[in-house]
Amino acid sequence: AQKITQTQPGMFVQEKEAVTLDCTYDTSDPSYGLFWYKQPSSGEMIFLIYQGSYDQQNATEGRYSLNFQKARKSANLVISASQLGDSAMYFCAMREGRGGRRALTFGSGTRLQVQP
Amino acid sequence: DAMVIQNPRYQVTQFGKPVTLSCSQTLNHNVMYWYQQKSSQAPKLLFHYYDKDFNNEADTPDNFQSRRPNTSFCFLDIRSPGLGDAAMYLCATSSVGLVTMNTEAFFGQGTRLTVV
Repeated sequence: AQKITQTQPGMFVQEKEAVTLDCTYDTSDPSYGLFWYKQPSSGEMIFLIYQGSYDQQNATEGRYSLNFQKARKSANLVISASQLGDSAMYFCAMREGRGGRRALTFGSGTRLQVQP
Repeated sequence: DAMVIQNPRYQVTQFGKPVTLSCSQTLNHNVMYWYQQKSSQAPKLLFHYYDKDFNNEADTPDNFQSRRPNTSFCFLDIRSPGLGDAAMYLCATSSVGLVTMNTEAFFGQGTRLTVV
């Protein structure tokens, strides 16, 4: 079974508008961390935001916020005020268990295109 | 300043000819990972080093090997590249302790491997 599911292969958004990228996850471990990464066409993976399973509040980092709904096992990324430079692939990822020895498991990604 | 450096950025190799990809880090992180990412797919973990402890994924082909001579460097060796091994190879590092959950992985820019 897929641990991370991103159901939107591609998304379009107008510049300056907000966009939500969906992510659902599957784990039986009570301790886990959820991450979002951005991958521009140049290839590097850029860390955006983190949400821990025990965190009471939704994470925010500048224009990025994470809509964490634990009961639904969803961790959607919200980008406010989209910019042309936001056009990229976006990956949701999860690390299960304490200790962090386990590597990140990635979803299949969403390609976001910001239109002027 | 680049903290995880992969060389080369682009590598062309002949079918069946051994090739080595390199990764270095200036972060002094104890964990280093190698991911394979094929076009429009999620990064797939090949193996990782926790300090000197090598951890191979069950479905990583024997054709792929790795070496970590010291904390800073890690190598990916492909003994006999096939056409199906053409992909982006991503190196990542983390600083991982016993209870840490929120340590994101820092990625290099990747090496795009072409097999001809």
